[in-house]
Amino acid sequence: DQQVKQNSPSLSVQEGRISILNCDYTNSMFDYFLWYKKYPAEGPTFLISISSIKDKNEDGRFTVFLNKSAKHLSLHIVPSQPGDSAVYFCAASATAAGNKLTFGGGTRVLVKP
Amino acid sequence: DAGVTQSPTHLIKTRGQQVTLRCSPKSGHDTVSWYQQALGQGPQFIFQYYEEEERQRGNFPDRFSGHQFPNYSSELNVNALLLGDSALYLCASSLLTSHSYEQYFGPGTRLTVT
Repeated sequence: DQQVKQNSPSLSVQEGRISILNCDYTNSMFDYFLWYKKYPAEGPTFLISISSIKDKNEDGRFTVFLNKSAKHLSLHIVPSQPGDSAVYFCAASATAAGNKLTFGGGTRVLVKP
Repeated sequence: DAGVTQSPTHLIKTRGQQVTLRCSPKSGHDTVSWYQQALGQGPQFIFQYYEEEERQRGNFPDRFSGHQFPNYSSELNVNALLLGDSALYLCASSLLTSHSYEQYFGPGTRLTVT
């Protein structure tokens, strides 16, 4: 029962172009969504988040869009940089803060110079 | 500002043995969550500790148990190890009273069961 899915296991993009990562969820109780970035031999690092009362959140080169009716969110990275090459995880949380995070399977991003 | 630390970094155990993994939360945090990340998959929630008690638990068998100490550090114990327990074990900390959803992860412990 995969409640959070990232259907693209990998993504290759040219430096300077836009990277778009997608995430779908099935549990309508999820009300907060987070993106994490993970480099090899390191733990996931928090990137950006969005509450279900919003449809967009921006932080520098990173923007997350949420479409509640479609149960879909996406992460846009503009412009992509070689240092962005990593595995990106979408995560969701339900109800109260501090609840467990449910993760997707991850998308490996490669930014080519 | 010390981040989340975990020990050991790597561990090799034999099937049937028991293992203890340790985690120290980020300074100022009071809640510790444990996740298991199998190869090629996303992290899966094991359980969460707050005020030295298990606050939430994921779909893991009783072989997985934990503890939180008064200084907020935590241990994850796994008994009767199976080959399928081989994974990266991640500890994450947060401050429950901040009402923040963000959890901060340590580098993980890579457990190999042979």
